[in-house]
Amino acid sequence: EVLLVESGGGLVQPGGSLRLSCAASGFSFSSYWMSWVRQAPGGGLEWVADISQDGRGKSYVDSVKGRFTISRDNAKNSLYLQVNSLRADDTAVYYCARPPEYCRDTGCIDSFDFWGQGTMITVSS
Amino acid sequence: QSALTQPASVSGSPGQSITISCTGTSSNVGGYNLVSWYQQHPGKAPRLIIYKVNERPSGVGDRFSGSQSGNTASLTIAGLQAEDEAAYYCCSYGGGWTYVFGTGTDVTVL
Repeated sequence: EVLLVESGGGLVQPGGSLRLSCAASGFSFSSYWMSWVRQAPGGGLEWVADISQDGRGKSYVDSVKGRFTISRDNAKNSLYLQVNSLRADDTAVYYCARPPEYCRDTGCIDSFDFWGQGTMITVSS
Repeated sequence: QSALTQPASVSGSPGQSITISCTGTSSNVGGYNLVSWYQQHPGKAPRLIIYKVNERPSGVGDRFSGSQSGNTASLTIAGLQAEDEAAYYCCSYGGGWTYVFGTGTDVTVL
C-alpha cells in the first residue's frame, strides 16, 4: 500500500522557517518524481514544487521561488520542503503527492495519484 | 501561473448529469493533453478521478468522464449521487514541470 505521511508543520511567526518532511512507503520512492501541493484554509489547491528522481530537477511556483527548497533523500524514502521567509499567505495545509504508476522511472508527473494527509503551516504573529 | 477558471458552484438533482468547465490558456490546458481532475470531500485529501483529460484511474466509476476542447476542459458527472457532493479541482501541466490547479467548484446535490 502506498503511504505518504507528512510532518513538520506548526505555528511560525512571519519571516520564520520550517522544514516539512514526507515519509514514503509501499513503493519504490526513488523511481518517481515527487511534488508538494498546498491548500490555504477554505481555499483551493496550489501546486508548490516538484523534484526529479535523482533530485537534480526541481520546479517551483513563482510565489515561493527563492524562499522554498524541495529536496529528497532516497535512502530514507523521504521528501522535504524547506520553507523560509514565511508570509501570512503561506498559511496552508501542505500535501506531498506522487504521480501515477505509469510514471515510474520516467520524467513524467502528469497528475497526482497518491496524497498524504497533509501538515498545516500557520504563519501568524 | 494564474489559476485555471472554474465555476464556483454547480448543483443538480440525484440522477441528473452535471458538467464542470475548466478554462486555461494555450500555455497550459490548450498546450497539452494533461488535464487531471480531483474530488475533495471536507477535511480529506484530494482524490484523483480523471487524468490525461479523459482517463479514469482504477476504482473510479464510469459516471465520471472528462473531455477537452482547445483551452477548456470539462468534467461530467452522470447519474449524480449524494456522495458526489464535494469540491472538484482541475489541474493542468504548464510546461517546465510546473502545474496549475483550477479555482475549484463546489458540487451540491439537491
